[in-house]
Amino acid sequence: TQLLEQSPQFLSIQEGENLTVYCNSSSVFSSLQWYRQEPGEGPVLLVTVVTGGEVKKLKRLTFQFGDARKDSSLHITAAQTGDTGLYLCAGRDTGRRALTFGSGTRLQVQP
Amino acid sequence: KAGVTQTPRYLIKTRGQQVTLSCSPISGHRSVSWYQQTPGQGLQFLFEYFSETQRNKGNFPGRFSGRQFSNSRSEMNVSTLELGDSALYLCASSSPSTGDNEQFFGPGTRLTVL
Repeated sequence: TQLLEQSPQFLSIQEGENLTVYCNSSSVFSSLQWYRQEPGEGPVLLVTVVTGGEVKKLKRLTFQFGDARKDSSLHITAAQTGDTGLYLCAGRDTGRRALTFGSGTRLQVQP
Repeated sequence: KAGVTQTPRYLIKTRGQQVTLSCSPISGHRSVSWYQQTPGQGLQFLFEYFSETQRNKGNFPGRFSGRQFSNSRSEMNVSTLELGDSALYLCASSSPSTGDNEQFFGPGTRLTVL
């Protein structure tokens, strides 16, 4: 069974601060995705990374896929209250179609 | 284009009952996946349907079943409900045109088992 561990589980910061969320596994994934989920809604895809060492930027969000394709990180610069939500990483194995989700990081950005 | 819709949004059942949840994918999407989300276990994959056939299955007991219709709409059924089945059930659809790589999630059905 492939497992994805996210850290930290909870994060409460002030608006304007920077933060990094980590997603780690002992397994290799063909691709890794990051989602954000807000209360009462389903997860929404933020980014997909497929190449080891790949870095993608989405405005103030920077996503990195580890060289060995076992881990990923999400860095948010100058967090805003609108960034509040549950951040989920999800990996896809080449042999399986199903996504394996991490346990999630609940981010609260205080004004 | 309308998003993924799930009905009902909220449901309360008692132990031993059965329940059917419905999911309508985005128009043109033929793949529908179901997930269970709980505070303790997070988001766990239940099964995936494509063209009315189950293409992949997670590690859930046989009480959890699903099906897909010719219009790609999908239903999942849980029989003999247990307290531990209380969860948010999410449905996601995807399209072969994007390699089924991006899954679009519905808002979920929150099931409470008393």
